[in-house]
Amino acid sequence: AQSVAQPEDQVNVAEGNPLTVKCTYSVSGNPYLFWYVQYPNRGLQFLLKYITGDNLVKGSYGFEAEFNKSQTSFHLKKPSALVSDSVLYFCVVRDTGSARQLTFGSGTQLTVLP
Amino acid sequence: DAGITQSPRYKITETGRQVTLMCHQTWSHSYMFWYRQDLGHGLRLIYYSAAADITDKGEVPDGYVVSRSKTENFPLTLESATRSQTSVYFCASKELAGSTDTQYFGPGTRLTVL
Repeated sequence: AQSVAQPEDQVNVAEGNPLTVKCTYSVSGNPYLFWYVQYPNRGLQFLLKYITGDNLVKGSYGFEAEFNKSQTSFHLKKPSALVSDSVLYFCVVRDTGSARQLTFGSGTQLTVLP
Repeated sequence: DAGITQSPRYKITETGRQVTLMCHQTWSHSYMFWYRQDLGHGLRLIYYSAAADITDKGEVPDGYVVSRSKTENFPLTLESATRSQTSVYFCASKELAGSTDTQYFGPGTRLTVL
């Protein structure tokens, strides 16, 4: 069975500093990995994905994620954090079955301090 | 308006009552999903549907019933609500084919079972 782990429930970073939100995964076969964000009282929104190819994936709002197969990690990064980045982040892995179901991590709340 | 909508947005009910949460999407996406979100668990899949009249269980289906008579609607019914079903429920949809595998989420329904 596939699984996703986000080891930090909460990450604090100063505005303008680089941020990293950590994610590790476990799947059989090739991983399909995603990051979603959740704004307060709203549904989740797609941020970026890794399917194949370049290990560095670029997404919306200046975010990027680095796929590392040997460490089974897919950490989310941004060079310079904004206060508006203070939302809930979910790392997600897709299974290889026909329904392509998603398995979500438990989420990491990012707080960017002004 | 185009997109995916859920109703009601908030619901309070009592133990033992039947409750139906509605989900409607205007994209004609083949796949639809129901998730529940609880602290510390991320999102967990309850049921999904690959097309009209085709449904299947997810990770936590017990106590829930779904139907899909029309492509655009995917109601979730709690036949006899329990306190453990207090949660935030999200509906999502995605296209049948294509490489994106991106799911689009509704705004959620916050359900409280007293």
